[in-house]
Amino acid sequence: DGGITQSPKYLFRKEGQNVTLSCEQNLNHDAMYWYRQDPGQGLRLIYYSQIVNDFQKGDIAEGYSVSREKKESFPLTVTSAQKNPTAFYLCASSSLGTGWYEQYFGPGTRLTVT
Amino acid sequence: AQSVTQPDIHITVSEGASLELRCNYSYGATPYLFWYVQSPGQGLQLLLKYFSGDTLVQGIKGFEAEFKRSQSSFNLRKPSVHWSDAAEYFCAVGLTNFGNEKLTFGTGTRLTIIP
Repeated sequence: DGGITQSPKYLFRKEGQNVTLSCEQNLNHDAMYWYRQDPGQGLRLIYYSQIVNDFQKGDIAEGYSVSREKKESFPLTVTSAQKNPTAFYLCASSSLGTGWYEQYFGPGTRLTVT
Repeated sequence: AQSVTQPDIHITVSEGASLELRCNYSYGATPYLFWYVQSPGQGLQLLLKYFSGDTLVQGIKGFEAEFKRSQSSFNLRKPSVHWSDAAEYFCAVGLTNFGNEKLTFGTGTRLTIIP
């Protein structure tokens, strides 16, 4: 089955630790995205990548880093510099063939930092 | 600047009743418009999309939406809701920014269904 996988579903970390969230897709999509979701705020774009080895900052990139070494993978690192990292993180992908905007989402990772 | 407004934070409807969720956008050109649905603790699923052409678009699960340029709106409708429609619904607008396309999402409308 084609789709987007995010692991783990729940993640717990202590303050001051970096943590990496995994996102893998087997849809052969060119573009991948990371969003953060907080209650009442909708989705906010963290980073996105349209081709391998290239990525752009979204609206709230501070305290986050990404890499895109393979087309299928777009891991997100939440660094200790992120002031309020507890949130629900969603990964998405899209293809030029169906239009960049038509994004398909993974099931999400809920990160709790204490 | 591009923006999307969903004026209703929470809507409650009875099972079998009709539904309309509102979405207004602010964008200089004809936008690409989307509705997504999210069940609790899950990712988002695309319900329907509007790129051009017929302003009434049909989606999955019996939903439809109508693009009204004069009102800058893209409201989501369903003639008869089912208990399984309880979820959060997000309207989104596609933005082209120097060749980098991305979506801007509204803050969502939470739908509760009562028996």
